[in-house]
Amino acid sequence: GESVGLHLPTLSVQEGDNSIINCAYSNSASDYFIWYKQESGKGPQFIIDIRSNMDKRQGQRVTVLLNKTVKHLSLQIAATQPGDSAVYFCAVVNDYKLSFGAGTTVTVRA
Amino acid sequence: KAGVTQTPRYLIKTRGQQVTLSCSPISGHRSVSWYQQTPGQGLQFLFEYFSETQRNKGNFPGRFSGRQFSNSRSEMNVSTLELGDSALYLCASRQGLAGAQETQYFGPGTRLLVL
Repeated sequence: GESVGLHLPTLSVQEGDNSIINCAYSNSASDYFIWYKQESGKGPQFIIDIRSNMDKRQGQRVTVLLNKTVKHLSLQIAATQPGDSAVYFCAVVNDYKLSFGAGTTVTVRA
Repeated sequence: KAGVTQTPRYLIKTRGQQVTLSCSPISGHRSVSWYQQTPGQGLQFLFEYFSETQRNKGNFPGRFSGRQFSNSRSEMNVSTLELGDSALYLCASRQGLAGAQETQYFGPGTRLLVL
């Protein structure tokens, strides 16, 4: 099975700074990865995804980097805002099933 | 387009009872997956349904079951509830295109408390 781990359970960021959340996975055959954001009392919300034929993908204020050699991916949030405070999960997709990391709680300081 | 909806949002049951949770996927989505979220175990996959058939199953006991209807709506049932079944139960849907790795979109979840 797939094992997904996050490097830091919590991250405190000054408003306006950039945030970086890291994630490691175990199955080298994994080829689709998704980042989700979960706010209190809500379900996970899709942020950005990346397939294994890419090493970088950009969205609005977010960038996902994939390093297949070391089985690592990261989510970068530019100019972090108070509304970015949430729990962030990386998910690895295998056979249409999502395997989630434990989540990183991001707290934005004013 | 409306998102994934789940009912009820909150539920309190006692040990030994059974519970049924409902999920309506995004219009046009034919695949529905269920996940359990707890502080200790995180998000864990329960099962996936596509075209009224269970296509994938996680490592949960047989007390957890589900079904899908012809309109793609899905229900999950937990029988003989245990205290450890207290969790947020999340439903996610995707189109279900064959051979495609698709994003799964989540509903708000049903918060189940077992007393």
